[in-house]
Amino acid sequence: DIVMTQSPDSLAVSLGERATINCKSSQSVLFRSSNQNYLAWFQQKPGQAPRLLISWASTRESGVPDRFSGSGSGTDFTLTISSLQAEDVAVYYCQQYYGTSWTFGPGTRVEI
Amino acid sequence: EVQLVQSGAEVKKPGESLKISCQGSGHTFNNFWIGWVRQRPGQGLEWLGVIYPGDSDTRYSPSFQGQVTISADKSISTAYLQWSSLKASDTAMYYCARHRDGDPFDSWGQGTLVTVSA
Repeated sequence: DIVMTQSPDSLAVSLGERATINCKSSQSVLFRSSNQNYLAWFQQKPGQAPRLLISWASTRESGVPDRFSGSGSGTDFTLTISSLQAEDVAVYYCQQYYGTSWTFGPGTRVEI
Repeated sequence: EVQLVQSGAEVKKPGESLKISCQGSGHTFNNFWIGWVRQRPGQGLEWLGVIYPGDSDTRYSPSFQGQVTISADKSISTAYLQWSSLKASDTAMYYCARHRDGDPFDSWGQGTLVTVSA
């Protein structure tokens, strides 16, 4: 299995400030023939199911505010919240969907 | 509107069997993979496996192979997750989610809480 790690485990950010979450995979999730990274970011608020924010490492889903952005390639990825809002308090997970066995990162808790 | 509706919470004893369900609506069920994700209390997300209801192609995480069984009945747009002998360590919220071939999960069920306690 591809092992996913995230850093930090948690972070506290002031309203309006930037939050940056890092995700690393134990092997590349870049599919060379398509030049696509099979990496997604999910947001999970307390008591709710996860929600897909970003797919293909950097493609925002419909309805996701543009303060959320994803970057990176190969084995190193970043989720950035450019200006944190109160409603962004949640746990954020990266996930690789490369191959036939998927794995999630351990999650990063974002607080105000 | 795409919906995945899961069966209700369960309380079971160790050693008992269980089958929980996930019914899809608002999309062509047979054209999507349905996966299952475990979340133990206060913990992160774990991918158990997926099934393609169109042909019942099923894939498991190596960590869960042999521990659970994933199945589907395409005639009623429903996927299942079952255990033959529950353990206390199976206590968790279980989510179903759908994805197109090659894409990530894009829609999730509301979750089914399974509690296993003597």
